[in-house]
Amino acid sequence: DAGVIQSPRHEVTEMGQEVTLRCKPISGHDYLFWYRQTMMRGLELLIYFNNNVPIDDSGMPEDRFSAKMPNASFSTLKIQPSEPRDSAVYFCASSGGRASPHEQYFGPGTRLTVT
Amino acid sequence: GDSVTQMEGPVTLSEEAFLTINCTYTATGYPSLFWYVQYPGEGLQLLLKATKADDKGSNKGFEATYRKETTSFHLEKGSVQVSDSAVYFCAPTGSGGSNYKLTFGKGTLLTVNP
Repeated sequence: DAGVIQSPRHEVTEMGQEVTLRCKPISGHDYLFWYRQTMMRGLELLIYFNNNVPIDDSGMPEDRFSAKMPNASFSTLKIQPSEPRDSAVYFCASSGGRASPHEQYFGPGTRLTVT
Repeated sequence: GDSVTQMEGPVTLSEEAFLTINCTYTATGYPSLFWYVQYPGEGLQLLLKATKADDKGSNKGFEATYRKETTSFHLEKGSVQVSDSAVYFCAPTGSGGSNYKLTFGKGTLLTVNP
């Protein structure tokens, strides 16, 4: 299995621009998680889905952030408009299927820099 | 709410030294407990887990025992290697309806010198 795939790996954008991060979970997994990691705040859960349905979005910072999962093999996290304080590494993780639903498999992350 | 307190880093050791990274948690009920490791420039990887009291998780020479009475899950390794240099995260599962969420600690940076 290829593991969780994220794209792009690096993104540099200017303040005010729209940013879209993409994730392909492991095939057969039915949970998908989006995290943000910064030095100051550590690893924060933004939102998670089960069977493509958002279950808990309480970690989404504000209305500028939105996430979708149109099908079992694809999810996006969008920031519009982006701000410098959004600079972070964003991770997607998936779990479920024949593995324990608690065992999350992380992608390599997208390093976002907003100037 | 659920929370986890992890030993503050950074921790710097010489090769073959003994490692302990403390982790305590608060949770309702009986969470499953995990340690994840993050190598430089990578995402987190599951290192080991324990799902009930007195269980011992182990992997790659690392061990941690689920201590319900002290709500702890301390990570240990008898002899660290340079390749163990990474950030280590303790993570209990959530309780009740948020059982599939993980509450990650702040992470402990370990540096092992040759």
